Amino acid sequence: DVVMTQSPLSLSVTPGQPASISCRSSQGLVYSNGNIYLNWFQQRPGQSPRRLIYMVSNRDSGVPDRFSGSGSGTDFTLKISGVEAEDVGVYYCMQGTHWPWTFGQGTKVEI
Amino acid sequence: QVLLQESGPGLVKPSETLSLTCTVSDASIRTYYWSWIRQPPGKGLESIGYIHYTGDTNYNPSLKSRVTISLDTSKNQFSLTLNSVSAADTAVYYCARTARVPDMWGQGAMVTVSS
Repeated sequence: DVVMTQSPLSLSVTPGQPASISCRSSQGLVYSNGNIYLNWFQQRPGQSPRRLIYMVSNRDSGVPDRFSGSGSGTDFTLKISGVEAEDVGVYYCMQGTHWPWTFGQGTKVEI
Repeated sequence: QVLLQESGPGLVKPSETLSLTCTVSDASIRTYYWSWIRQPPGKGLESIGYIHYTGDTNYNPSLKSRVTISLDTSKNQFSLTLNSVSAADTAVYYCARTARVPDMWGQGAMVTVSS
C-alpha cells in the first residue's frame, strides 16, 4: 500500500495567521491518464470528512479560497492563508491513484 | 444536494456479521461509484471498497476475504457486509459518493464489536 506521511501531526495557530501541512507519499501518484489523485479532507469535531481539494490543487465547490493545495511528485502541501476559528479540526491527505486508497495520519489544527 | 445516510445495528458480537446500508437521496445510484470507508475510534481512515451499478467492485486486500459490497438500484441503496468481525472492526463506518475518489460522505454509523 502507498504510505502517506503528514507533518506536523499537530498545529496550533493564531487566528489570521497562515498554516501549512505537508504530505509525502511513498510512491509517485501519477495515474495512467496523467492525473494526480491527491486530495485533502477536513474533519471538524464530531463531523464526517469533507473534501476540500482534489487533484492536488482544485478546490471543491463552497470551499473558501483561503485553502490552497500544491505539490508534485511525492510531496504535497495544503495551505490556509489565514486560519479562522471554523478551521479547527483534523486534516487528512489521501491518495486515490493506487488501490487501496490510503490516507495520511491526520494533522490536528487548533486555535 | 446529494444526501447519504448509513443505517444498521450499532452492536455486533465477535465472529458474527456486520451489515450496513447506505441510502442515497437526490441522486441516482446508477451514476457514480459508491464506497465504504471506516475510522476506528481516535484513529485514521481506512478504505474498505467500492462498487458501480455495472457490478464493478474492488475491495481492500486487507479485508477482501471478509467483505462484500452490493447495490440495490430499486431502493437506491448500497450495502456493506463484513464477516467474522472482531474488536478490531469497531469503527465509524462511512458511505460515500465516489467520482474517482470519495467526494461526498454520509454522517457515519458507529459499530461496536463486543459480546
